[in-house]
Amino acid sequence: AQTVTQSQPEMSVQEAETVTLSCTYDTSENNYYLFWYKQPPSRQMILVIRQEAYKQQNATENRFSVNFQKAAKSFSLKISDSQLGDTAMYFCAFIIQGAQKLVFGQGTRLTINP
Amino acid sequence: DTEVTQTPKHLVMGMTNKKSLKCEQHMGHRAMYWYKQKAKKPPELMFVYSYEKLSINESVPSRFSPECPNSSLLNLHLHALQPEDSALYLCASSQEQKTSIKLAKNIQYFGAGTRLSVL
Repeated sequence: AQTVTQSQPEMSVQEAETVTLSCTYDTSENNYYLFWYKQPPSRQMILVIRQEAYKQQNATENRFSVNFQKAAKSFSLKISDSQLGDTAMYFCAFIIQGAQKLVFGQGTRLTINP
Repeated sequence: DTEVTQTPKHLVMGMTNKKSLKCEQHMGHRAMYWYKQKAKKPPELMFVYSYEKLSINESVPSRFSPECPNSSLLNLHLHALQPEDSALYLCASSQEQKTSIKLAKNIQYFGAGTRLSVL
């Protein structure tokens, strides 16, 4: 069975700080894709960053970067210089290549305080 | 443009009503999805359409009836719902597997959802 575990239900940091959200996953497949989605109070699920499992280089998107450890099946998200607009629920997810079902973690509620 | 549009934004219905949720995308995606999301929980997959054909039904009760009239439009028809069906209903789309761009076909783009309340 494929599963995703986010061990931090809630996190809170001050504006401009750096925060890391944890994610581990379990799959016996070798070809898959990993994602972090952000869901602010506006409800829209927004893709933050993505990583192909066959790439060793960690993905980065502006202030967002990941630490992808394939052997450990770990995919953490680092947000640098956090902003008030980063306040949201963050979901880690992965999908097996060729499949149509995204497997989500339970989410981490991140609050950025002024 | 990565926009998926869902209407209405909010819907209140009685248990005997019939209503429909609508989802539209103009990205040329050929896979479309319905998810149900309860508060503080991740989305749960309900249905997947691939090239306008139903490819996945996650054992969803028959009071939910999906329809994909064309490649841009996805509907979810609701009938005789229960209060426990109250949730956020999200639509998503992605390129289908026949594209040669491996990553692209695995990215799902979501709409803002319809907040459904069943009284």
